[in-house]
Amino acid sequence: AQSVTQLGSHVSVSEGALVLLRCNYSSSVPPYLFWYVQYPNQGLQLLLKYTTGATLVKGINGFEAEFKKSETSFHLTKPSAHMSDAAEYFCAVKNSGGSNNKLTFGKGTVLTVNP
Amino acid sequence: GAVVSQHPSWVICKSGTSVKIECRSLDFQATTMFWYRQFPKQSLMLMATSNEGSKATYEQGVEKDKFLINHASLTLSTLTVTSAHPEDSSFYICSASQFGMEAKNIQYFGAGTRLSVL
Repeated sequence: AQSVTQLGSHVSVSEGALVLLRCNYSSSVPPYLFWYVQYPNQGLQLLLKYTTGATLVKGINGFEAEFKKSETSFHLTKPSAHMSDAAEYFCAVKNSGGSNNKLTFGKGTVLTVNP
Repeated sequence: GAVVSQHPSWVICKSGTSVKIECRSLDFQATTMFWYRQFPKQSLMLMATSNEGSKATYEQGVEKDKFLINHASLTLSTLTVTSAHPEDSSFYICSASQFGMEAKNIQYFGAGTRLSVL
């Protein structure tokens, strides 16, 4: 079984400050990891993903995440927050093996950016 | 590219009626589609996985006779909530993925449908 824990249901930062959204996972096999963003009344948009290769992954809108196997973590960061980053962020995990691509999501973190 | 359209975005219905939600992949062929349910302040919970031309696979605890899923073509899947009751009120989200070693790892999501059963 696989699971995802997102620490902090709400994170608030000032515009221009560092954004750090935490995600820890558990998986019995090497995981594939994803971050999605959801703006109000919109669907989930893929920010970035880790499948294999380089553990530091760069995504859209200046976000990046680092896969740390020893810490079972995949935290999302952005050096400087922008007002448009305010949204809800979901971390998700998928088993690398198997024929299906079922995702298991964390509970989400709402990011607020203060002017 | 990779746009998924979900319709309607919001529906209100009376208890006991059935509601159909459509999920379309607009610019790609979706070999697999997924249906999720999201409760307020909670995560997305997978309800079922459907592959084009075959029966959907439901997650444990999801009533397949209650939530009918049809995936008749590579661009359309439908979820029908039969005999809806107030406890079925929720936010339903679909996603779709393409065939292929790498492509199948990515799910593209619709904007969701908010169902309110009176």
